Amino acid sequence: EVQLVQSGAEVKKPGESLRLSCQASGYSFTDYWIGWVRQMSGKGLECMGIIYPGDSDVEYNPSFQGRVTISADKSITTAYLEWSSLKASDTAMYYCARLRATYSGIYYYVMDVWGPGTTVTVSS
Amino acid sequence: EIVMTQAPLSSSVTLGQPASISCRSSQSLLHSDGNTYLSWLQQRPGQPPRVLIYRISNRFSGVPDRFSGSGAGTDFTLKISRVEAEDVGVYYCMQATQLPYTFGQGTKLEIK
Repeated sequence: EVQLVQSGAEVKKPGESLRLSCQASGYSFTDYWIGWVRQMSGKGLECMGIIYPGDSDVEYNPSFQGRVTISADKSITTAYLEWSSLKASDTAMYYCARLRATYSGIYYYVMDVWGPGTTVTVSS
Repeated sequence: EIVMTQAPLSSSVTLGQPASISCRSSQSLLHSDGNTYLSWLQQRPGQPPRVLIYRISNRFSGVPDRFSGSGAGTDFTLKISRVEAEDVGVYYCMQATQLPYTFGQGTKLEIK
């Protein structure tokens, strides 16, 4: 079964650092992009960036570039989303999702498998 | 960045009746490879999103055939032929033609 397992809920103070994880299983981790998606409370979805674990190529959404770091460790099939200094405005649910680009010769470009999400609360 | 605009933002539909959601992009979603990477996702309350439709009109694996997608260029539509109780949630269009990938604001579907 293809699965993305995300790390647990976090409560942090402004200025603290944080790293979220997303462990993949059931498929070849290095063959699919993984995206990080933010959902603020009661709001819509925003793609923060995507990473190709095969070569660690990262494409950031300019709105998030410089604020977060996306990385992956293919030895443990895990992707990461990291902040060095959190702000209250980072309070949100964060999802990782697998991007199916092509499969069996068919072009998809959809986020076909989603993790359950990690709630991050940043408050003093 | 391509801006995706959905309408309506909320819809209240009687069980068994059809529903329709519109999605418009700020520029054409036709990719240089000839494909249009417009998908539709459903987010039920308290759950992560799941994909319903890819490349405008292709139902993803396991999606009921009451869901259909259409459109081209900058205008797209998701239709539910007969709404069921399990269809309650928020529906998003998403473009993956150009980075950064972007979503519509979401359309909340409720049962009347």
